[in-house]
Amino acid sequence: NAGVTQTPKFQVLKTGQSMTLQCAQDMNHEYMSWYRQDPGMGLRLIHYSVGAGITDQGEVPNGYNVSRSTTEDFPLRLLSAAPSQTSVYFCASSLLVGQGSSYEQYFGPGTRLTVT
Amino acid sequence: DAKTTQPPSMDCAEGRAANLPCNHSTISGNEYVYWYRQIHSQGPQYIIHGLKNNETNEMASLIITEDRKSSTLILPHATLRDTAVYYCIVREPRSGSRLTFGEGTQLTVNP
Repeated sequence: NAGVTQTPKFQVLKTGQSMTLQCAQDMNHEYMSWYRQDPGMGLRLIHYSVGAGITDQGEVPNGYNVSRSTTEDFPLRLLSAAPSQTSVYFCASSLLVGQGSSYEQYFGPGTRLTVT
Repeated sequence: DAKTTQPPSMDCAEGRAANLPCNHSTISGNEYVYWYRQIHSQGPQYIIHGLKNNETNEMASLIITEDRKSSTLILPHATLRDTAVYYCIVREPRSGSRLTFGEGTQLTVNP
């Protein structure tokens, strides 16, 4: 298994540009999510999905869109990049937690985005 | 999710046990305690989790107090590669799979 993969590893954008960060997993996980991590801080949840066709907002969703057309892929779109979106973005996946169950999350290696 | 409190930083000598504390005084009965770590610039890595009982795996041990208001992650023989930020997370079942990360503890293992 490749686990959770993210592309690109690095990206530089100009203010106002749009782009899509890719995330894929090959573990047949229902749950996928996107986090951002600013320097010296913990991770903050942007969006998450509990299955194909189902997405929801996390803690900091503004400026980002997501869709989940397949179980494997969960792309994150920046609509109009701003310097405040300079960050490291992590994608994660896991089996779906149910009553009385608990599963670990697997994280990708991250995408380092700079917006100038 | 219940709020957790961790010291911002700790040091440990290589080969010694590293004991990382976490306070979660508002935890409720059905909330799990998770530990993740993040080695510099990498994605977080799952370490261990527990509900009420102490847990052990190949990476670490998790000791949860009887009242569940605090826990300790133990790395029995710390190595330089264990230098990382360690996150203690309490997850409520109704949060589903969502995790809320705090700022964690920077553990530095010294030679």
